Amino acid sequence: DAGITQSPRHKVTETGTPVTLRCHQTENHRYMYWYRQDPGHGLRLIHYSYGVKDTDKGEVSDGYSVSRSKTEDFLLTLESATSSQTSVYFCAISPTGTGNGDEKLFFGSGTQLSVL
Amino acid sequence: SQQGEEDPQALSIQEGENATMNCSYKTSINNLQWYRQNSGRGLVHLILIRSNEREKHSGRLRVTLDTSKKSSSLLITASRAADTASYFCATAGSSNTGKLIFGQGTTLQVKP
Repeated sequence: DAGITQSPRHKVTETGTPVTLRCHQTENHRYMYWYRQDPGHGLRLIHYSYGVKDTDKGEVSDGYSVSRSKTEDFLLTLESATSSQTSVYFCAISPTGTGNGDEKLFFGSGTQLSVL
Repeated sequence: SQQGEEDPQALSIQEGENATMNCSYKTSINNLQWYRQNSGRGLVHLILIRSNEREKHSGRLRVTLDTSKKSSSLLITASRAADTASYFCATAGSSNTGKLIFGQGTTLQVKP
């Protein structure tokens, strides 16, 4: 999957615990994204990054934070996991991010997160 | 909020038949993309069509765009069992992120 590694691939956690998902890329792409995929909602953008230490919110950012200290790593943290955050989380990368919808995204294989 | 919405939600055809899926969107766009997702995997980019293009081809894929109707269609000709997947359209959202927003997808099953 285009030099993108998501870890862990599966995780089960309890309500109220903090959880961190990691996305690692070897493509040196500037833009990185976190999406969640849920039945009936498609993919929804959580947060994205346009450079080291440069991040911004997406459509569904409440309850999530991100950090990007290196070009290759983008971390997604659920500060206090809730059952509504049970989902499949996808990381994506792109070399450009014009905002015109022409950035071609490359996706990781996803992390299945279950919050009990 | 969804920018693009696919129709139908699910489609089942026989191998060799053509598959057509549609995407409608709400606001003006500059570009529209189609992605495929195989079960348990991430999305893979298929094709991008710009707002000044009406039709684009890539192998067995044909994409059309009608900006007056705010709709696009993806046609897969001579389908194969390997085309079984979910297909998503994506456009830049009208929100201030300007980032890609995906529809809910069409699930295509191609029976051998």
